[in-house]
Amino acid sequence: GAGVSQSPSNKVTEKGKDVELRCDPISGHTALYWYRQSLGQGLEFLIYFQGNSAPDKSGLPSDRFSAERTGGSVSTLTIQRTQQEDSAVYLCASSNTGQGYEQYFGPGTRLTVT
Amino acid sequence: RKEVEQDPGPFNVPEGATVAFNCTYSNSASQSFFWYRQDCRKEPKLLMSVYSSGNEDGRFTAQLNRASQYISLLIRDSKLSDSATYLCAVWGQNFVFGPGTRLSVLP
Repeated sequence: GAGVSQSPSNKVTEKGKDVELRCDPISGHTALYWYRQSLGQGLEFLIYFQGNSAPDKSGLPSDRFSAERTGGSVSTLTIQRTQQEDSAVYLCASSNTGQGYEQYFGPGTRLTVT
Repeated sequence: RKEVEQDPGPFNVPEGATVAFNCTYSNSASQSFFWYRQDCRKEPKLLMSVYSSGNEDGRFTAQLNRASQYISLLIRDSKLSDSATYLCAVWGQNFVFGPGTRLSVLP
């Protein structure tokens, strides 16, 4: 079946602009995660959605970052007033049922802030 | 202390070698454990879950030691295609990934 998809695959934006990154999880997966990975670094947890529960936003680095998940499926990560340090690969993952279950990752969105 | 730590690497081994990676975690209440591999400029891909009894998938063996709070991954008869970064992931109160250990299998 179809895996996790993300769009766009690459995004170049000017400092100060807002960007939206999209994630389509695997059909039927109730849990969705966003991570950030800078070049040569590990995965940095950003936010987690599970069903209709309030999201775990504990990893968001600043209030410029926000995310929503509509209808329990597609998610959008928004970064307002982008800064150069926001440049990274943003990865989305989904899992069945919830935490503790295997996560499957999308191909990521490579964000470059100039 | 970081929640999840891994061997710093990199590991450079010849084809056919056996290589082992270790991953330690600090949260004793952690319940689920996984190994992922990540190729350069690609997303992490699930390699295997780690069960209490240990599990094997072909050339790969994963083990869990709850008393010492570590998991391990053993790769036997390594292939050139095994070259990648190996990430461990631990679920306790949330999902935490280790920083990864890079493996290069040399001809």
